[in-house]
Amino acid sequence: GDSVTQMEGPVTLSEEAFLTINCTYTATGYPSLFWYVQYPGEGLQLLLKATKADDKGSNKGFEATYRKETTSFHLEKGSVQVSDSAVYFCALSVNYGQNFVFGPGTRLSVLP
Amino acid sequence: DAGVIQSPRHEVTEMGQEVTLRCKPISGHDYLFWYRQTMMRGLELLIYFNNNVPIDDSGMPEDRFSAKMPNASFSTLKIQPSEPRDSAVYFCASSSGRPGELFFGEGSRLTVL
Repeated sequence: GDSVTQMEGPVTLSEEAFLTINCTYTATGYPSLFWYVQYPGEGLQLLLKATKADDKGSNKGFEATYRKETTSFHLEKGSVQVSDSAVYFCALSVNYGQNFVFGPGTRLSVLP
Repeated sequence: DAGVIQSPRHEVTEMGQEVTLRCKPISGHDYLFWYRQTMMRGLELLIYFNNNVPIDDSGMPEDRFSAKMPNASFSTLKIQPSEPRDSAVYFCASSSGRPGELFFGEGSRLTVL
């Protein structure tokens, strides 16, 4: 079946550090890939997405590139801020369907 | 737009009691999802609707759980009887059908004692 694997958290960084959160996937069809973010006490919000191979999604300084050859969609940010502290979820949906598969989430803490 | 609205935000109840969680999706969205989030199991899809019709309820844990969507602007998730292992945050989300663009509510935190 379809699945998403993320790096184990928590991840703790100092402000202005470089961030990478790894995500790999297994899918039977042709997936679209997403990163969602959950701030404390809130629901998940779409951060960025990519719908085909080699697409790069970007938003708020975060980027992720759809790598079909390595089945990966790693999230990166060049300089994190305290306000980026949250839980980040990698997700996929197959064939533009509505059945989303979420990874377990990676908690990021950014210290001043 | 007010976003997805869930109620109650917090619910504390005793084992055996009935619990009803409510959701109002974003107007014009024709997909509605119920998710459950726990530390142990992460985010789990319970059920989703399209145009008020349940499409996939394979994630509903057992017969104690039921969900309805009587119209396009309202859905309920009911647990009867509730058990301590049902303690979790329950999220409702809606979508217009565009791939990946789920809009989540703020969740209902349920504690069953």
